[in-house]
Amino acid sequence: AQSVTQPDIHITVSEGASLELRCNYSYGATPYLFWYVQSPGQGLQLLLKYFSGDTLVQGIKGFEAEFKRSQSSFNLRKPSVHWSDAAEYFCAVGAYNQGGKLIFGQGTELSVKP
Amino acid sequence: GAVVSQHPSWVICKSGTSVKIECRSLDFQATTMFWYRQFPKQSLMLMATSNEGSKATYEQGVEKDKFLINHASLTLSTLTVTSAHPEDSSFYICSARDPRGKGNTEAFFGQGTRLTVV
Repeated sequence: AQSVTQPDIHITVSEGASLELRCNYSYGATPYLFWYVQSPGQGLQLLLKYFSGDTLVQGIKGFEAEFKRSQSSFNLRKPSVHWSDAAEYFCAVGAYNQGGKLIFGQGTELSVKP
Repeated sequence: GAVVSQHPSWVICKSGTSVKIECRSLDFQATTMFWYRQFPKQSLMLMATSNEGSKATYEQGVEKDKFLINHASLTLSTLTVTSAHPEDSSFYICSARDPRGKGNTEAFFGQGTRLTVV
């Protein structure tokens, strides 16, 4: 079955510390992978996406993610977290022939300590 | 990137009434749009795929007679929650597939609609 797992429901990091949010997927076709961020009561903002090519993807706001096919993972990283990064983060997977239909992970809530 | 606008941002309605939510692609033509539902502190669940000029495709467990989807033009899809009940209260988000996107997979999200049924 197709699925996306974000093992960490809630993570707290100190401002300035590094961050890694985990994402594992199970998908029959070649996956297209996305990370979105959602502030409370707001829609989704795309942070980055992976379709093909270089497995290390750079996104907005200083985020990056690395696609590891052997581990079926697409973890999101940021070297230094800012207080404004506190939000809900969703990993999602789609496929070439699915035309934008995405399967989302459960989300990871990020809190940032001053 | 492409812009998708969703309206209204929030709505409160009485139980038993119907509510219409609009999803518009502002700078591209979207032959396919998607409707998702998000309960508090939970993930987004796909409700249905809206195809311009044809019937929507609903995910398993979604009542098509309760959640009416119309995609009458290449820039507008509407979701109507009919005979709304408190359990329909949720955050509804649409996305539109940009056919210019790579791999036929690029989709852009609206800002969401918070529906509260009282």
